[in-house]
Amino acid sequence: EAGVAQSPRYKIIEKRQSVAFWCNPISGHATLYWYQQILGQGPKLLIQFQNNGVVDDSQLPKDRFSAERLKGVDSTLKIQPAKLEDSAVYLCASSLGLLGRARSGYTFGSGTRLTVV
Amino acid sequence: AQSVAQPEDQVNVAEGNPLTVKCTYSVSGNPYLFWYVQYPNRGLQFLLKYITGDNLVKGSYGFEAEFNKSQTSFHLKKPSALVSDSALYFCAVRPNTDKLIFGTGTRLQVFP
Repeated sequence: EAGVAQSPRYKIIEKRQSVAFWCNPISGHATLYWYQQILGQGPKLLIQFQNNGVVDDSQLPKDRFSAERLKGVDSTLKIQPAKLEDSAVYLCASSLGLLGRARSGYTFGSGTRLTVV
Repeated sequence: AQSVAQPEDQVNVAEGNPLTVKCTYSVSGNPYLFWYVQYPNRGLQFLLKYITGDNLVKGSYGFEAEFNKSQTSFHLKKPSALVSDSALYFCAVRPNTDKLIFGTGTRLQVFP
């Protein structure tokens, strides 16, 4: 099966600019996640979608970050305006998962490496 | 607070020797436990998971992990390390929700 697709692979922007990332999950996967991985740290969940609804966005900096999954398939994550500390790898993952104790594993995309200068 | 600890930033081992990468967790209930590996400029790849049953879980590439409930640990092991095993390894727990909580990662360096 095709994996989780993300684009772009790399992005360099200046602070205060805007940027958007795109994710196409595995076909049929209802749950989609965006994780932020800062260099030297483990990935941190930003937002979780179940179909086109938000399940958890408690760690999403909503003053500058937004995400949508309008048709329950593809998703975009946007940062506006970007700060230096937003430099990180943004990972998208998907799973069949149901809410609760889903046993299905995640599949991660290759990520988008964002550098804010 | 729910958390995962990987106490070693880096583990060095000679090729052919056994390796252990440590992980402990602090999560209420009975979480699912995972190990992922990350190669440079690549996404996270699933290695293995523990849900229930036998405490010794076997995964991809000859890796295994031992779940110890009393010590709340889930250490990753391999009997004989390969140079190609050199990568960043993440332990993760999945408490009573769908989200994964990751440790900070351990860099494994296998020397020829």
